[in-house]
Amino acid sequence: EAGVAQSPRYKIIEKRQSVAFWCNPISGHATLYWYQQILGQGPKLLIQFQNNGVVDDSQLPKDRFSAERLKGVDSTLKIQPAKLEDSAVYLCASSFSLGSSGNTIYFGEGSWLTVV
Amino acid sequence: GDSVTQMEGPVTLSEEAFLTINCTYTATGYPSLFWYVQYPGEGLQLLLKATKADDKGSNKGFEATYRKETTSFHLEKGSVQVSDSAVYFCALSANTGNQFYFGTGTSLTVIP
Repeated sequence: EAGVAQSPRYKIIEKRQSVAFWCNPISGHATLYWYQQILGQGPKLLIQFQNNGVVDDSQLPKDRFSAERLKGVDSTLKIQPAKLEDSAVYLCASSFSLGSSGNTIYFGEGSWLTVV
Repeated sequence: GDSVTQMEGPVTLSEEAFLTINCTYTATGYPSLFWYVQYPGEGLQLLLKATKADDKGSNKGFEATYRKETTSFHLEKGSVQVSDSAVYFCALSANTGNQFYFGTGTSLTVIP
């Protein structure tokens, strides 16, 4: 079974530039998550989708971050304009469905962003 | 709200030493509990999980028991190897099954 796919793996941009990350979840997984992981910290949820609807985006800095999952499958996370503090790993994850006890979340390899 | 607290690192052990990484949680109801491992330059991988009280999750020699009375899910391994060097994250999934909360991670280094 193919895992969660993310691209690009690494990106270096200058502050105030824009960047986009792409994620394709595991086939059949209705729930998709974007996490931000700053070096030395645990993952912080940015946004959670159920199919193509947003379940939780309370910690997404909406003045500069946006995300979409138009067809309920793959997703794009965009940052515009980037700030130095956005340097982090952006982890995409997916899980099967809502309401399932013991539901497991599966992560991609991550997209490593450096803002200079 | 729901949350997870895990022991701070870094932890450095000699090969074949016993490992314990403490994790306690706060949650309403009956969450599921997880340990994830992150090797350098990689994403998080599921190590083990437990879905109800007194369940024991195990994988690759690691074990953790879901203790409702102490709200804990401590990770243990009897004999660590150099290849176990990684960052370990405790996590819980709320009742609905799709909201996950992660601890801050514990870095483990095993020296030969």
